[in-house]
Amino acid sequence: GAVVSQHPSRVICKSGTSVKIECRSLDFQATTMFWYRQFPKQSLMLMATSNEGSKATYEQGVEKDKFLINHASLTLSTLTVTSAHPEDSSFYICSARKPGYLQETQYFGPGTRLLVL
Amino acid sequence: KQEVTQIPAALSVPEGENLVLNCSFTDSAIYNLQWFRQDPGKGLTSLLLIQSSQREQTSGRLNASLDKSSGRSTLYIAASQPGDSATYLCAVRRSGGGADGLTFGKGTHLIIQP
Repeated sequence: GAVVSQHPSRVICKSGTSVKIECRSLDFQATTMFWYRQFPKQSLMLMATSNEGSKATYEQGVEKDKFLINHASLTLSTLTVTSAHPEDSSFYICSARKPGYLQETQYFGPGTRLLVL
Repeated sequence: KQEVTQIPAALSVPEGENLVLNCSFTDSAIYNLQWFRQDPGKGLTSLLLIQSSQREQTSGRLNASLDKSSGRSTLYIAASQPGDSATYLCAVRRSGGGADGLTFGKGTHLIIQP
């Protein structure tokens, strides 16, 4: 199977600081990665689509200047939460689409739990 | 806007029982539908993927059906085991090409009692 990792798994930060979350596809190259956010007892919500070598596509209501996405290589996408506030506390999870057979399947990382104090 | 609803929100059954989880979606123009399981502190594991042209998919004790026209899918779990305890998520991919993400339901929290 395909493996996707995320780092860090948990992070606690002070309000106003920036936090970077990494998403890596360990055994395949992913031209497309996705970032989701999940609040308690809510659905996973797609935040943005990250395409290698181009700008990310953000879903409606997601501030692109607050959630910076960089997909600099075929195995790494980063999400930076800038000037984090307590309302940004959530579970952030990425996924990567594996090309080839069953390319429709997205492989998910283990997620990053962010707590902003 | 696509909305995905899962019923029930939670379910607790004794080991060995067969059970059905339900998923409905408001926009039938989907590319495919997937069922995932989510374990605490871990990522999502894909269980079954049904293309829009398919009616069902099977993997071991799991069987998923899709009725695209009515906007419904079910996940059938046979002979449930304690290890099946997890949150089960239903997700649909929008129709058309491009790199579309998934729209998820809130999930069904399943507990299988030993």
